[in-house]
Amino acid sequence: QSALTQPPSASGSPGQSVTISCTGTSSDVGGYNSVSWYQQHPGKAPKLIIYEVNKRPSGVSDRLSGSKSGNTASLTISGLQAEDEAVYYCCSFAGINEVFGTGTQVVVL
Amino acid sequence: QGQLVQSGAEVKKPGSSVKVSCKASGGTLKDNIVSWVRQAPGQGLEWMGRTIPAFAVANYAPRFQGRVTITADKSATTVYMELSSLSFEDTAVYFCARDHRSGDGNNLPFAFWGQGTLVTVSS
Repeated sequence: QSALTQPPSASGSPGQSVTISCTGTSSDVGGYNSVSWYQQHPGKAPKLIIYEVNKRPSGVSDRLSGSKSGNTASLTISGLQAEDEAVYYCCSFAGINEVFGTGTQVVVL
Repeated sequence: QGQLVQSGAEVKKPGSSVKVSCKASGGTLKDNIVSWVRQAPGQGLEWMGRTIPAFAVANYAPRFQGRVTITADKSATTVYMELSSLSFEDTAVYFCARDHRSGDGNNLPFAFWGQGTLVTVSS
């Protein structure tokens, strides 16, 4: 099972929006609506921010949104803030297993 | 509620095994899906496997099959991950994470995480 493909980095100025892609196959991203996203700050455990493609857990900012088209899922961060600077990982159910993305470093300029 | 507390850092020799624990703080993990995820230094997240203590079953990622064992104690308050035949490439932070069933019936994957356990493989 190969890792899902994410761009290594993405950046934007405060207030702007940034979108991160997560590309898999029909055996994972394209085959299930079980795509989730995680935010990880340095030295910390990941934090769930999106599940089932576009649902936000309680307490997660509505500036974060998710979507999916075919084998590619996307995370959009609107109104970028300094606190959004982190690494973001997607994850998809893949039949029996789970597979994570390669991770995207978001930089707030 | 929901907090997971992991055992401390380990240093192991190549070829040996390591067993990391993950304890629920203030409850049990009986009906939860508990997964193990590792992160090598400067690298991404890698799913290793999962268990549901109530059913005493486990699934493992293909690349770890035969080398990893995930179990729970009888009280289902603690889940363990044992990794054998360690090599230098197994040096990583190992996280446990559990799903959460929300009040409206949604399953939130990897909703709660342990603090991570650094396993260093060194000769």
